[in-house]
Amino acid sequence: NAGVTQTPKFRVLKTGQSMTLLCAQDMNHEYMYWYRQDPGMGLRLIHYSVGEGTTAKGEVPDGYNVSRLKKQNFLLGLESAAPSQTSVYFCASSSAGAPRGNQPQHFGDGTRLSIL
Amino acid sequence: KQEVTQIPAALSVPEGENLVLNCSFTDSAIYNLQWFRQDPGKGLTSLLLIQSSQREQTSGRLNASLDKSSGRSTLYIAASQPGDSATYLCAVREVQGAQKLVFGQGTRLTINP
Repeated sequence: NAGVTQTPKFRVLKTGQSMTLLCAQDMNHEYMYWYRQDPGMGLRLIHYSVGEGTTAKGEVPDGYNVSRLKKQNFLLGLESAAPSQTSVYFCASSSAGAPRGNQPQHFGDGTRLSIL
Repeated sequence: KQEVTQIPAALSVPEGENLVLNCSFTDSAIYNLQWFRQDPGKGLTSLLLIQSSQREQTSGRLNASLDKSSGRSTLYIAASQPGDSATYLCAVREVQGAQKLVFGQGTRLTINP
């Protein structure tokens, strides 16, 4: 009964370092999303994927890259971390099934990332 | 561009009171609206999902309504308890493009014993 699993849960990086956040879902969902949550800004979409091998930009994609080589996994990469990327990152997934109105987004527990 | 607004930003009430949280959105082209709960330092817990064709959903002491034509939703909490203290977020799922969720900034609720 895992649902959406994010690793790691916490990480501290130095400016300029790189890292990859992993999101895994076991619900066979087509759609996957990466959001960031910042005080006063709410949750904003970084990148998303509508299926294996496809990705697209969201509202705030700069400084991030993503890959979806397997349907169940969605990776978020920071090539050169900056203090502005200090945030809480949430991954979500949902089904493309019909009716779309009945399909909730399921969220992971988040990754708290600090860039010094 | 879809915008979601939650009022008030913070609310403090004594235990036992019934209360209403408000959510408004600017574009009625949505698949659904979800209400989430978020405890400090934690993830998002989905409370209720209302499809665009529905008017309300109920779960225990929670009742959520949706008026798509006016772009409004309310979350009613009956007989509030200290354990209800959390931030409540509403989000609408867009029909276009990524079909992403667009979130409000939340209402921070405190229930005083």
